[in-house]
Amino acid sequence: QVQLQESGPGLVKPSETLSLTCAVSGYSVSSGYSWGWIRQPPGKGLEWIGSIYHTGTTDYSPSLRGRALLSLDTSKNQISLRLTSVTASDTALYYCARQRVPSRDFDYWGQGSLVTVSS
Amino acid sequence: SYVLTQPPSMSVAPGKTARITCGGNNIESKSVHWYQQRPGQAPVLVIYYDRDRPSGIPERFSGSNSGNTATLTISRVEAGDEADYYCQVWHSDSDSVVFGGGTKMTVL
Repeated sequence: QVQLQESGPGLVKPSETLSLTCAVSGYSVSSGYSWGWIRQPPGKGLEWIGSIYHTGTTDYSPSLRGRALLSLDTSKNQISLRLTSVTASDTALYYCARQRVPSRDFDYWGQGSLVTVSS
Repeated sequence: SYVLTQPPSMSVAPGKTARITCGGNNIESKSVHWYQQRPGQAPVLVIYYDRDRPSGIPERFSGSNSGNTATLTISRVEAGDEADYYCQVWHSDSDSVVFGGGTKMTVL
């Protein structure tokens, strides 16, 4: 059974960099599929941040391109997200999920990691 | 960018049929996926490729896609179906995932 678990600081100061990791178990991130990050501000809908393929190729949301960076760590079987120059509007529950190709749907999700941006 | 439009909310009585729409320009040319998100939980995929159900999803959940509207249909609605529902597509023009704004379904 594939499982994903997000982790990282729950509080980040404005203008700093948000860093999250997603530990994957039950499947090797380098074997196939794509791996995505999706966020959900409190009380709001889902917003895709970006996806990274098992090859390392990335796709990013046009609205976040330039601030978001996804990476794979095959030795730890995890994926990472860095989001620079954060503001209060980046406060959200951040999910990682496995993305199937070519359908591009997300079939396994983590439970999410809440990040608050505040001084 | 590509926009998916969902009604913000709807309500349905137990045992009845719920239909949740997702509007987009020529959406029938895209594959639509649907997620259920119960309060305090992560989203769960309930329909992919317009009408296919993942293992473990009840047959009461079905989907269709035609013209500018995709529809998630939930038959014989139960109290446990009360949740937010999101549609999602892949927009190949910009190589990006697009989510609809979500529909909060209340079971009366």
